[in-house]
Amino acid sequence: GAGVSQSPSNKVTEKGKDVELRCDPISGHTALYWYRQSLGQGLEFLIYFQGNSAPDKSGLPSDRFSAERTGGSVSTLTIQRTQQEDSAVYLCASSLELWGNTGELFFGEGSRLTVL
Amino acid sequence: QQPVQSPQAVILREGEDAVINCSSSKALYSVHWYRQKHGEAPVFLMILLKGGEQKGHEKISASFNEKKQQSSLYLTASQLSYSGTYFCGTENAGNQFYFGTGTSLTVIP
Repeated sequence: GAGVSQSPSNKVTEKGKDVELRCDPISGHTALYWYRQSLGQGLEFLIYFQGNSAPDKSGLPSDRFSAERTGGSVSTLTIQRTQQEDSAVYLCASSLELWGNTGELFFGEGSRLTVL
Repeated sequence: QQPVQSPQAVILREGEDAVINCSSSKALYSVHWYRQKHGEAPVFLMILLKGGEQKGHEKISASFNEKKQQSSLYLTASQLSYSGTYFCGTENAGNQFYFGTGTSLTVIP
């Protein structure tokens, strides 16, 4: 498809399990971002990737969270030993340039994570 | 570092106008505005660049006051389709970009 694709759209897991969330950005977009949105809350920055530069991990809430971007395209966000407070919608976005300097961030539909 | 938006929520009747403000404590290079409808992904409205250039594609306007580190989004003659949560996103020095606290807008008939 032409847009940002995320999978799974919904994930229910038990506390303590690991989860992987996938993001397939728009082809040709050099920048990729992960945000977290808790119920009724704003967009919490987690991490971004820009081209071949080292990712900015400054927003990751703990060392249980990690992300990688392979081949400058698909990205995977991994949450280890999930906790109930990790429950949220995880949004991925991509843009032609970092922070969409000449345009916009395109968001995916998100992955809703529920930790029981 | 997260910009602050005001008001937090507003209810309008169709045809009324609204202003949403976004304020940052840091010098800004650009400001983005997005709208998120319930259960959907945020969608880009416009970007305002330092120096005054504005790019957007909706019938909604905005201003960017670099000196005051503020931006305002103007919705005129509101329509039911304007309902949603509006977020500003601000880019500052050091390649930092944060979304604001959000403003919930409800347009009623």
